[in-house]
Amino acid sequence: EVQLVESGGGLVQPGWSLRLSCEASGFTFANYDMHWVRQSPGEGLEWVSGVSWNTNNIGYADSVKGRFTISRDNAKSSLYLQMNSLTPEDTALYFCAKGRNPMDWGPLDYWGQGALVTVSS
Amino acid sequence: EVVLTQSPGTLSLSPGERATLSCRASQNVTSNYLAWYQQKPGQAPRLLIHGASSRATGIPDRFSGSGSGTDFTLTISRLEPEDFAVYYCQQYGSPPFTFGGGTKVEIK
Repeated sequence: EVQLVESGGGLVQPGWSLRLSCEASGFTFANYDMHWVRQSPGEGLEWVSGVSWNTNNIGYADSVKGRFTISRDNAKSSLYLQMNSLTPEDTALYFCAKGRNPMDWGPLDYWGQGALVTVSS
Repeated sequence: EVVLTQSPGTLSLSPGERATLSCRASQNVTSNYLAWYQQKPGQAPRLLIHGASSRATGIPDRFSGSGSGTDFTLTISRLEPEDFAVYYCQQYGSPPFTFGGGTKVEIK
């Protein structure tokens, strides 16, 4: 059974940093692209960032480019999101999600339950 | 960046009725890499359709996707009570993999 478990969320002040983690199990993590998607309270989904299976391809939403960094550790089956210079607009539930296609970009077929990040003074 | 516009914002229908949801892209979606997701309150999204028209594993056949290029449609042939939810389209042809704003299907 595929499982994605996010951790690292919390309440931080504007300008602070936070690192989210996603621990994966139930599939060969090293073969699939992984993504972060966020959802602000009462709002829609926003794709934040994705990393290919071999880390050769990485993409970011314009809203986080230069502030957020995605990374993965295939040996630990883990995905990370380093978030710097946080603003109140970054307040959201952050989902970790798995790409469907091995060794290629694809739709997101499994999702975690999310980690809540609140940025407020 | 590919901007996806979903319409209508809200669809009020009764169980048993047909739902037609639209997703329009600001430019051609590469290889028709367009997905549809369903999200219920307090839950993570669920993949319904990928490649514009292929149903994901375990998705009932009352859900169907169609379209190509810039115009895509999700159709629910006969609404079941569990289908009332918010639906999102997403393009995954080229980063950033943008989502549409969503369509809420509510009980009339």
